[in-house]
Amino acid sequence: SQTIHQWPATLVQPVGSPLSLECTVEGTSNPNLYWYRQAAGRGLQLLFYSVGIGQISSEVPQNLSASRPQDRQFILSSKKLLLSDSGFYLCAWSVEQGTFFGPGTRLTVL
Amino acid sequence: GQQLNQSPQSMFIQEGEDVSMNCTSSSIFNTWLWYKQDPGEGPVLLIALYKAGELTSNGRLTAQFGITRKDSFLNISASIPSDVGIYFCAGGISNFGNEKLTFGTGTRLTIIP
Repeated sequence: SQTIHQWPATLVQPVGSPLSLECTVEGTSNPNLYWYRQAAGRGLQLLFYSVGIGQISSEVPQNLSASRPQDRQFILSSKKLLLSDSGFYLCAWSVEQGTFFGPGTRLTVL
Repeated sequence: GQQLNQSPQSMFIQEGEDVSMNCTSSSIFNTWLWYKQDPGEGPVLLIALYKAGELTSNGRLTAQFGITRKDSFLNISASIPSDVGIYFCAGGISNFGNEKLTFGTGTRLTIIP
C-alpha cells in the first residue's frame, strides 16, 4: 500500500531563517506530488505541484520554492522565512482514485 | 486563489442526528471529492465523485455530484462522536483525481453531548 511521510511534524523558526520541509512517498512510482498550505481555520491552498523529477509548477507567487530531486521525494524550501509563512503544510500525491495527504508539518515563524 | 463556497460553516448536532452539508461553485468541475480533517492531521479522503449526477455511499456517508457540475453535497446518517471534525469539499478539472484541487472553506461538525 502507498504511504506518505512528512518531516518534521512541527517546526518553530525565527523570521529570516531558511526552511526545508521534506515529503516522501512509498509504494508508488512517478506520482503527481503537491504542496498545500492551510492557514488556521481555513481551507487548503495549492502552492506547488510536480508531475515528475525536476518538474515544478508554482500556483501562487510567494516566498517559497519547491524541488523534486527524486521520483518520490518533494521538498519545500525558503531562503528567508516571513511571519506570513506560518501555517500547516501538507504534501499530497494523486492517482486516478483521488488525492491523498500526508500528516502535515506545523510551521510557526516568530 | 479560487475557493468553493461550502455551507454551513459550522454545525452543532446531537449524536444520532443526520448531517447535510453542501458545496457550490461558479465554475464547472469534473471531479468532486470530500475530505475529513481531524485537528493537527492531514485531510482523509472520504468519497470521490467523477460523473455528473453520481450518487456514492461509503458506510454512513453519501455524496452526490450535482447535475450542473457546479455543486455537491455530503450527508452523514446517524452521527457518532468520531464524526467530529472539519469536512472539506474539493473540486477538480480533469476527469480523474490525478490533478490540482480547489478546496472549499470547510464545515466544522461538533456533536453536543
